[in-house]
Amino acid sequence: EIVLTQSPVTLSLSPGERATISCRASQSIRIDLAWYQQKPGQAPRLLIYDASNRATGIPARFSGSGYGTGFTLTISSLEPEDFAVYYCQHRSNWPPTFGGGTKVDIK
Amino acid sequence: QLQLQESGPGRVKTSETLSLTCTVSGGSISSTNYYWGWIRQPPGKGLEWIASIYHSGSPYYSPSLKSRLSISVDTSRNRFSLRLNSVTAADIAFYYCARHGGDYDFRGGLPGYFQQWGQGILVTVSS
Repeated sequence: EIVLTQSPVTLSLSPGERATISCRASQSIRIDLAWYQQKPGQAPRLLIYDASNRATGIPARFSGSGYGTGFTLTISSLEPEDFAVYYCQHRSNWPPTFGGGTKVDIK
Repeated sequence: QLQLQESGPGRVKTSETLSLTCTVSGGSISSTNYYWGWIRQPPGKGLEWIASIYHSGSPYYSPSLKSRLSISVDTSRNRFSLRLNSVTAADIAFYYCARHGGDYDFRGGLPGYFQQWGQGILVTVSS
């Protein structure tokens, strides 16, 4: 089973600041990685797939990068609605697994 | 627009069987090359994939839960179901159903990404 490790666990920032979240895989997963956003009381929403492609309707301030074992989700300028928990997930093989999550909260 | 809706008892007794159903609307569960899966999330914690199935019936299970799980699909009712037996307090969680995969993933035997999710249902376990 591939283990995904996210850092930091919590990120405290102000609106307008840049957020950078990391996801490290226990073995190479090429670009087989997605990012999700989850707000309180809601299901996760797909943001980024194949490491760097934005899902339908996702604003351009969200971007993803990385290959192999190291990946990054960047939010270029935080909007009030971006304060949430973010998860990475791999699709390299079965079982698909998720990272532990990163909470982006308001400083 | 595809929608998924979980249903089932919100409370299960310790050692009994948890049974949940996900009803799909706005699309067919027989859609080619998509998987239908379950993910759970203990309150305040992270996401854990637990099981998936293709409409023709090929199941996939989390290795850690495999001995207690069963997933099935009912194409006539456009829904799929999960059964988890011998539940304990460790099974308290929000349970989400989701559609995942696609042509590339299915052909490659990959699980894919979770594109559409249900709203989730909280299941508690009590004695």
